[in-house]
Amino acid sequence: KNEVEQSPQNLTAQEGEFITINCSYSVGISALHWLQQHPGGGIVSLFMLSSGKKKHGRLIATINIQEKHSSLHITASHPRDSAVYICAVRTNSGGSNYKLTFGKGTLLTVNP
Amino acid sequence: KAGVTQTPRYLIKTRGQQVTLSCSPISGHRSVSWYQQTPGQGLQFLFEYFSETQRNKGNFPGRFSGRQFSNSRSEMNVSTLELGDSALYLCASSLEQGRAFFGQGTRLTVV
Repeated sequence: KNEVEQSPQNLTAQEGEFITINCSYSVGISALHWLQQHPGGGIVSLFMLSSGKKKHGRLIATINIQEKHSSLHITASHPRDSAVYICAVRTNSGGSNYKLTFGKGTLLTVNP
Repeated sequence: KAGVTQTPRYLIKTRGQQVTLSCSPISGHRSVSWYQQTPGQGLQFLFEYFSETQRNKGNFPGRFSGRQFSNSRSEMNVSTLELGDSALYLCASSLEQGRAFFGQGTRLTVV
């Protein structure tokens, strides 16, 4: 079983819809990242969070440490939101040593 | 402020050869991490450098190595290339364990 599971794997929405992507993990973490990857490879870090909720424009990320679960929400979705969204968790192995483990990603397509 | 710059963007190498990829971080960022992305395995952590020292290493064979220079620029090297090393190699820079900023990646094809 992967340490980081994302759902759904693929998501198709109509412009304007509210979108939720979920991430569950099975290990203790020090932080969780949400990344966005457009075709061509470029990755943008959307959020890094270790508790609670963060908001940036139409994007909202939440995390529940006790339940080992995070969600990424997109309000009023737009075709330019079409991308792969990747959840990554940072686990510490002592001192400043850590590793990042990634989910397989969620391919979001927003149709006009 | 310039972003993270990776060179080259595309590379084709033959099995058995070695390759060096370069990453210039955002000015002031001392942490540089490297990742491999393949269709089958997704994104995987290779290693992280901070102030010229490798702090963390993922689960990759010793053919994968890297280094960081005093100006924080980093290189990664893959020796004795295998077909399975074909991938998108991404680097990211950050302040100490802060938000990561990614480069556009180097797409390596091994033939």
